[in-house]
Amino acid sequence: GNSVTQMEGPVTLSEEAFLTINCTYTATGYPSLFWYVQYPGEGLQLLLKATKADDKGSNKGFEATYRKETTSFHLEKGSVQVSDSAVYFCALRTGSGYSTLTFGKGTMLLVSP
Amino acid sequence: DVKVTQSSRYLVKRTGEKVFLECVQDMDHENMFWYRQDPGLGLRLIYFSYDVKMKEKGDIPEGYSVSREKKERFSLILESASTNQTSMYLCASSFSGKDYGYTFGSGTRLTVV
Repeated sequence: GNSVTQMEGPVTLSEEAFLTINCTYTATGYPSLFWYVQYPGEGLQLLLKATKADDKGSNKGFEATYRKETTSFHLEKGSVQVSDSAVYFCALRTGSGYSTLTFGKGTMLLVSP
Repeated sequence: DVKVTQSSRYLVKRTGEKVFLECVQDMDHENMFWYRQDPGLGLRLIYFSYDVKMKEKGDIPEGYSVSREKKERFSLILESASTNQTSMYLCASSFSGKDYGYTFGSGTRLTVV
């Protein structure tokens, strides 16, 4: 079956530090890959996505590259801000028509001033 | 702005009550989903629907039912609320197909006392 593994948190960084949150996956077929962000007390928001190998998704300074050879989709940001403190979820979706997202367990990021 | 709207942000119910959680989307999405989110357990899929009047069990359907009489509305029903159903409930919707992510609502925090 499909699965997503994320690094456990919390990840604690100082403002302006470089961020990497690791995500690897197991899937049948060729999935699309997603990163979601959840701010405290809110629902999840789509941060970025990539739908085929070697695609790079980017948004709000965050980037992730779909690496088929390493089955990875690591999230990176060059300089984090306090406002980036949130929980980040990696997810995948396979197949066509009737399919659901498979989520990782989430990684909490805490950024201090 | 496209959105998924959940009827309540906070809800307190008594044990044994029948509870209705409502979700409405305005994006003409075919697919709709109900998740619950608990600390340490991540996101768990309760039920989903591929189309009007269709429903499929997710990973934890016990104690829940759903209704989808119109395309834009997906209701989660707790037949007889219990304290172990205290949780954050998240509704989401999407188009069919692996390249589409979900759009989430803001969540309903349900407390059963």
